[in-house]
Amino acid sequence: GDSVTQMEGPVTLSEEAFLTINCTYTATGYPSLFWYVQYPGEGLQLLLKATKADDKGSNKGFEATYRKETTSFHLEKGSVQVSDSAVYFCALSDRDSGGSNYKLTFGKGTLLTVNP
Amino acid sequence: DTGVSQNPRHKITKRGQNVTFRCDPISEHNRLYWYRQTLGQGPEFLTYFQNEAQLEKSRLLSDRFSAERPKGSFSTLEIQRTEQGDSAMYLCASSLYLEGVSYNSPLHFGNGTRLTVT
Repeated sequence: GDSVTQMEGPVTLSEEAFLTINCTYTATGYPSLFWYVQYPGEGLQLLLKATKADDKGSNKGFEATYRKETTSFHLEKGSVQVSDSAVYFCALSDRDSGGSNYKLTFGKGTLLTVNP
Repeated sequence: DTGVSQNPRHKITKRGQNVTFRCDPISEHNRLYWYRQTLGQGPEFLTYFQNEAQLEKSRLLSDRFSAERPKGSFSTLEIQRTEQGDSAMYLCASSLYLEGVSYNSPLHFGNGTRLTVT
């Protein structure tokens, strides 16, 4: 079945440091890829997405590129802020019989702490 | 858009009791999903509905679990004869599905119901 492997945390960085969180996936079909973020005490929020190979998703300074050849979707940010402290989940969306994306398969999550 | 709403936020129950959670999706969303998240893990898919039809159930959804979406709007998840292993965060998500469209809306999650079975 489908699976997502994320770099294990926790990750602790100083403000303005460069962030990379690795994510690789295994899928039988051609999934869409996502990063979700969970801030303390809040629900999961979509951070960015990519629906086909070589697509780059971006939002709030975060970026990730859909690499089909390496089955990867690594999350990067050039300069993190204290407010970026959260748990980050990589996920893939399988496609139903009609070819439309639906349920998500998540990685285990990576806790990021950014210190001032 | 008021977002996905889940009630209650927290539930503490004794082993063997039955519990029921409610999810109100975003109003125009026709798909509704239930996930379970345990500490240190990512959410795991349990089941999903399109309108009132339950289209898929995970093997994680034992016979003690039942989900309904009778009118295609809100959904309930019931756990009968709870066990300590059922302690988790139960997440609901919704999305808009349009037939014939290759990419539909992403899943929008609620804040979850945290269940503690003592």
